[in-house]
Amino acid sequence: DIQMTQSPSSLSASAGDRVTITCRASQSIGNYLNWYQQKPGEAPKLLIYAASDLQSGVPSRFSGSGSGTDFTLTISSLQPEDFATYYCQESSSLSYTFGQGTKLGI
Amino acid sequence: QVHLQESGPRLVKPSETLSLTCTVSGASISTFFWSWIRQSPGKGVEWIGHIYYTGSTNYNPSLESRVTISLDTPKNQFSLKLNSVTAADTAVYYCARASLSPVVHFDFWGQGSLITVSS
Repeated sequence: DIQMTQSPSSLSASAGDRVTITCRASQSIGNYLNWYQQKPGEAPKLLIYAASDLQSGVPSRFSGSGSGTDFTLTISSLQPEDFATYYCQESSSLSYTFGQGTKLGI
Repeated sequence: QVHLQESGPRLVKPSETLSLTCTVSGASISTFFWSWIRQSPGKGVEWIGHIYYTGSTNYNPSLESRVTISLDTPKNQFSLKLNSVTAADTAVYYCARASLSPVVHFDFWGQGSLITVSS
């Protein structure tokens, strides 16, 4: 099984900050990596697919990069609505494993 | 806009079968893959399986022996059955659409349904 490890598990930041979240795969997954945002009581929302492609309707302050085993999600200038939990998810295997999540708080 | 809605019993007894249905609007179920995903504090977010309009299915190996996903194309619905449930199957269950290009990604989700396994 592919394991997905996110760091940090939690992060405190302020509006306007630049934030980076890291996701590491236990084996190479090419660009088969997606990022989601989840707010309390809501379903996850797709932000980035194929490591760096921005989902339609998602603000351009979100960006993704990486390939192989190491990936990053960057928020260039935090907005109040960005405080949420973020998950990475691999699509290289038929388990579609999610990371454990990174909680971004104030 | 694509909309998905889960429905089914919210309380299931141990050893019995969990059954959920997802009703899709705004898209034909005869395209894309249609998935079930669950989330619990203990296991995090876990993909359960998906079905294609042909009826072809794939399941998470950790659940494969207990899961069945099926389609009802005329009703634009797909369903999940998970048998022999235990308290560990208590979770929020989501249905979701899986787009395939360029990589599989879950682009539309239902609101989720909290299913509790308890006697």
